[in-house]
Amino acid sequence: KAGVTQTPRYLIKTRGQQVTLSCSPISGHRSVSWYQQTPGQGLQFLFEYFSETQRNKGNFPGRFSGRQFSNSRSEMNVSTLELGDSALYLCASSLEGPLEQYFGPGTRLTVT
Amino acid sequence: QKEVEQNSGPLSVPEGAIASLNCTYSDRGSQSFFWYRQYSGKSPELIMFIYSNGDKEDGRFTAQLNKASQYVSLLIRDSQPSDSATYLCAVSNDYKLSFGAGTTVTVRA
Repeated sequence: KAGVTQTPRYLIKTRGQQVTLSCSPISGHRSVSWYQQTPGQGLQFLFEYFSETQRNKGNFPGRFSGRQFSNSRSEMNVSTLELGDSALYLCASSLEGPLEQYFGPGTRLTVT
Repeated sequence: QKEVEQNSGPLSVPEGAIASLNCTYSDRGSQSFFWYRQYSGKSPELIMFIYSNGDKEDGRFTAQLNKASQYVSLLIRDSQPSDSATYLCAVSNDYKLSFGAGTTVTVRA
């Protein structure tokens, strides 16, 4: 069974721009979660989606948003990028939260 | 108080020894507990999960859960150089995982 896939794997953006990241979960998994990982803050929860509904959201500003499609694929968007948004963004899927989550390879975002 | 706290390490153990990792959590209502391993430059990989009090063994790994003490641990027996990684404890609440900062383990050959 194919794992979680994320695109793109690497991204360089300029401060003030916006970015959209994509995640395809493991086949059959209906829950998708997003996390931000930085050396200083570690792994932090962004949001979780199940059947196109956001069930929980972490403590991030409104510039961070997401959505899930009917095929369980998910996207997250960050608007008005700041230097501090540079991080590894990880997507994880599970059959349905809060069961075991499996992570994708991540998207490395660099904001200059 | 952080939601999930781990002994910060780094932890250095000789090959063949037991590595012991500890984790405490603050929300008494937490139901599910996970251990992830993360190699440098890679994403976290699920290695163990435990839902009930007691021990759960999987190969060289044993997870222990004590809900009364709000404590989760991971033992790695017969440690191998390939076990050198950062180990992340995660606790599930309300459709989200909260992670500890991780413990870096180095296995000396």
